[in-house]
Amino acid sequence: DQQVKQNSPSLSVQEGRISILNCDYTNSMFDYFLWYKKYPAEGPTFLISISSIKDKNEDGRFTVFLNKSAKHLSLHIVPSQPGDSAVYFCAASENSGYALNFGKGTSLLVTP
Amino acid sequence: ETGVTQSPTHLIKTRGQQVTLRCSSQSGHNTVSWYQQALGQGPQFIFQYYREEENGRGNFPPRFSGLQFPNYSSELNVNALELDDSALYLCASSFPPGTGGAAGELFFGEGSRLTVL
Repeated sequence: DQQVKQNSPSLSVQEGRISILNCDYTNSMFDYFLWYKKYPAEGPTFLISISSIKDKNEDGRFTVFLNKSAKHLSLHIVPSQPGDSAVYFCAASENSGYALNFGKGTSLLVTP
Repeated sequence: ETGVTQSPTHLIKTRGQQVTLRCSSQSGHNTVSWYQQALGQGPQFIFQYYREEENGRGNFPPRFSGLQFPNYSSELNVNALELDDSALYLCASSFPPGTGGAAGELFFGEGSRLTVL
């Protein structure tokens, strides 16, 4: 059963605009959430994370929001750049750093 | 600093055969995890090794086995290959949880793409 769901397989955004990628989860025991980015022919790379004790974490152009009551998190990229075009995976774990549960990914295309 | 390297990058096997995939950890990392990524899916956790012992396993049958060596490199072995084993196999290294880096921050290799015919 898929415990982490990314319901949008793809997203297209214009350069300079905001990209919002969404993720839902079903396991209330998850206490750590992460976003990974993957370019073709490369392994996923860590982007940003958030602990369940927080509702927001910001790192430069990237912000992750966590709504525990809705079991929902989102990644905001502002402003979006063409180099952000990649597949973004949402992941969650029950104890930090162990056995990540990934969603299926959202392919982001940022157009000039 | 050397990143995570995996070999081979691509291989083709037939059903029933056995395969061994190899991974060298990033320098300074002593924990290795293996993930299976089927086409159109996210990576799925297979198992994790720390100090040469398996310390966590996902929902994979025993024909998936692994090893970690004293230099922290690792192998993934799959016996009696099935068609559904066709996937990208990703190795990731990390510090043990709570000892360094961002929690959950895994450093992935480029993967080994296995095709089972």
